[in-house]
Amino acid sequence: GAVVSQHPSRVICKSGTSVKIECRSLDFQATTMFWYRQFPKQSLMLMATSNEGSKATYEQGVEKDKFLINHASLTLSTLTVTSAHPEDSSFYICSASSGTGITAFFGQGTRLTVV
Amino acid sequence: AQSVTQPDIHITVSEGASLELRCNYSYGATPYLFWYVQSPGQGLQLLLKYFSGDTLVQGIKGFEAEFKRSQSSFNLRKPSVHWSDAAEYFCAVSISTGNQFYFGTGTSLTVIP
Repeated sequence: GAVVSQHPSRVICKSGTSVKIECRSLDFQATTMFWYRQFPKQSLMLMATSNEGSKATYEQGVEKDKFLINHASLTLSTLTVTSAHPEDSSFYICSASSGTGITAFFGQGTRLTVV
Repeated sequence: AQSVTQPDIHITVSEGASLELRCNYSYGATPYLFWYVQSPGQGLQLLLKYFSGDTLVQGIKGFEAEFKRSQSSFNLRKPSVHWSDAAEYFCAVSISTGNQFYFGTGTSLTVIP
């Protein structure tokens, strides 16, 4: 299957700083990318959907000014957690779709810890 | 709004025993259905998916799932569980456009010797 790479896999940052997570589709063009958040021992919740070259669409309750999503190319989307707070500590997973089918491929996730 | 229910939060089975993980969905039409497995600290691995056609689908690692429209269910089964199957299992649905997924709350599987 297609490969989606997320980087970094694990990051620790200080409160108040920003951290960027990258999601890359390695062998296909991802017209749409999705960002999910997973709290410990809970399910994955969709945060936002991004289409290449367009502004991301955020789910209700997700602060768009805090979670900045950029999808500037067909192979890269980034999630920037701004002014990070300990409550932002979570597991973030992206998925990417070429749009030609209905199967999206998931990255391996990023464990964010804000101290 | 669509929703996915996994009634069992945690299941413990003996190695070699059979397994069934339940999944029910709520959606106006038949969605696309998926089962994913997640090992601790890892991403998601697709086990199998149902789009249309034969309601019994085969997946990787010896898993299968059966779609039952009348029950709005998509239960995952494995005839003989291996210790390496211990993980978190998520049922998910996707609507026909957008490819966004809605996940169930997950079932944690423990396998005992």
